[in-house]
Amino acid sequence: GQQLNQSPQSMFIQEGEDVSMNCTSSSIFNTWLWYKQDPGEGPVLLIALYKAGELTSNGRLTAQFGITRKDSFLNISASIPSDVGIYFCAGLNAGGTSYGKLTFGQGTILTVHP
Amino acid sequence: DGGITQSPKYLFRKEGQNVTLSCEQNLNHDAMYWYRQDPGQGLRLIYYSQIVNDFQKGDIAEGYSVSREKKESFPLTVTSAQKNPTAFYLCASSMTQRTEAFFGQGTRLTVV
Repeated sequence: GQQLNQSPQSMFIQEGEDVSMNCTSSSIFNTWLWYKQDPGEGPVLLIALYKAGELTSNGRLTAQFGITRKDSFLNISASIPSDVGIYFCAGLNAGGTSYGKLTFGQGTILTVHP
Repeated sequence: DGGITQSPKYLFRKEGQNVTLSCEQNLNHDAMYWYRQDPGQGLRLIYYSQIVNDFQKGDIAEGYSVSREKKESFPLTVTSAQKNPTAFYLCASSMTQRTEAFFGQGTRLTVV
């Protein structure tokens, strides 16, 4: 199947620092999504991006849909302890044999030290 | 409240037994999905359904079966043919296949 390369795999930061993570793909997507997962829970949608070049914010979170449609990044500003968790990117196809399939990155494990 | 409900949250089964995981949504979503999550790996798609009475295999369908007899329900059966069934299973739904998916709380299946 399709592969998304998400980096970094893990991050250890101090409270108050900014965080950046990204996803790249060898194929294009029509939609990029960013999720956060707490231990033992289902992923929660943070941001959805629908157009190439789109830059969207949700509070301290900012995400961008790459111009080539093959990448996306997520920034978290002024991190706080409750930002701890696993962040996943996901790409959604809207055509061809992969229509409607969400492909996930491997996740970025974020640890925030108070 | 609208949402996706998975049950049970924890499930223990003996090796060789089939087990069915429940997923119900009251969001009036057309599409539903099942994912498997293993430690250190991302989510892998097992099956998905675009509409009632229709479903397609995902990337790791072997050893699993599903049905979609009602719009709001998409149960997953883990059969004895699944060689390594212990995992965290996540159900999701989306309004259509062009829109973002929302997840349930997950079911952790342990086979002993």
